[in-house]
Amino acid sequence: NAGVTQTPKFRILKIGQSMTLQCTQDMNHNYMYWYRQDPGMGLKLIYYSVGAGITDKGEVPNGYNVSRSTTEDFPLRLELAAPSQTSVYFCASSYSTVQETQYFGPGTRLLVL
Amino acid sequence: EDQVTQSPEALRLQEGESSSLNCSYTVSGLRGLFWYRQDPGKGPEFLFTLYSAGEEKEKERLKATLTKKESFLHITAPKPEDSATYLCAVQGATNKLIFGTGTLLAVQP
Repeated sequence: NAGVTQTPKFRILKIGQSMTLQCTQDMNHNYMYWYRQDPGMGLKLIYYSVGAGITDKGEVPNGYNVSRSTTEDFPLRLELAAPSQTSVYFCASSYSTVQETQYFGPGTRLLVL
Repeated sequence: EDQVTQSPEALRLQEGESSSLNCSYTVSGLRGLFWYRQDPGKGPEFLFTLYSAGEEKEKERLKATLTKKESFLHITAPKPEDSATYLCAVQGATNKLIFGTGTLLAVQP
């Protein structure tokens, strides 16, 4: 049982490039989330999904897109990378939402130059 | 607006020196308060969930308590391996987690 896995661990992008951050969970959780963590700031919710085919915006969705075609996978897409997207990105999952613990992956560190 | 404030920002303790971390919150309809531990370069690791004022939970040297306005994470006789950033988050009526900025704890041998 690997839990939540994320790839890549680290990536450098040039301004305007695109990339997809991968997230997979093997706990059969319905809910999945993408957060970003910046120095001195709390984790901020980017997008979340309540099940395959259903996604919704979080607090800071601009510049990102998501899709959820399977229960296990929840990729995060950056279409035109900007320096403001330099951050550490965490994927999380939970069985339900109300009062349910979210389990986090190891993170992807992204640097946009 | 739901809000979480953690204090202090950083705390340095000697091994064996007990202390407490604070998490103050304002939230509409508290559904849960979560404590996580985060090691450098790693994702947050779940520690506790507290659901109502007066509730307490313990795990090894850690004890979390909850009132209507704040939560404390008490660390008894800490060891160097307890060094980490401790994150607090609340879940209110929106069902989304609102995180604090964390307390960086360093325990020196």
